[in-house]
Amino acid sequence: DTEVTQTPKHLVMGMTNKKSLKCEQHMGHRAMYWYKQKAKKPPELMFVYSYEKLSINESVPSRFSPECPNSSLLNLHLHALQPEDSALYLCASSQERLLAGGNNEQFFGPGTRLTVL
Amino acid sequence: SQQGEEDPQALSIQEGENATMNCSYKTSINNLQWYRQNSGRGLVHLILIRSNEREKHSGRLRVTLDTSKKSSSLLITASRAADTASYFCATLRGSTLGRLYFGRGTQLTVWP
Repeated sequence: DTEVTQTPKHLVMGMTNKKSLKCEQHMGHRAMYWYKQKAKKPPELMFVYSYEKLSINESVPSRFSPECPNSSLLNLHLHALQPEDSALYLCASSQERLLAGGNNEQFFGPGTRLTVL
Repeated sequence: SQQGEEDPQALSIQEGENATMNCSYKTSINNLQWYRQNSGRGLVHLILIRSNEREKHSGRLRVTLDTSKKSSSLLITASRAADTASYFCATLRGSTLGRLYFGRGTQLTVWP
């Protein structure tokens, strides 16, 4: 199974709502990533988990809260978001996060299209 | 933050023609990767070239890397309408294991 799945595909939420995005992979990858992508822009890295521990936080506002319950699952908890947070949220995983000289080929999920009203 | 710049930002060609996209970057790298993204979907890894390689092929794809000029090119031969997508280069730096730096991307449109 070389697939990364994400749910939901689409999400519309108000600024006072609390919601969660979910990501799952069964490739045995030990690194997982959250990216945010605006239209016609490249993905922007938000968080990196390595062996279920948060290793990179790209100064993301605290209204985004990541969680890695186990090596296959990655969540992104959303609370009190702003309309400018509307974007495509992509999850990715890779095998060789910590090996020097590793390829870090990343496998991406289809994304969650988030709209904040 | 971004590392690379793709050129051109948009490319429009007819089916059967070749498409060439370029990518430049600023610092030394471990490898350079090309990804493809269909509209509103996730990215798909196409091909990877290591810093000690100069050229690589995969099907209709040919990638070159010139580390002295800090640039790479992606050539798609005999393009098809299904190749219509955005193409991103991404670099992996040796000092920041696991962190990919994406370029701005090239939007390729192939007309039937």
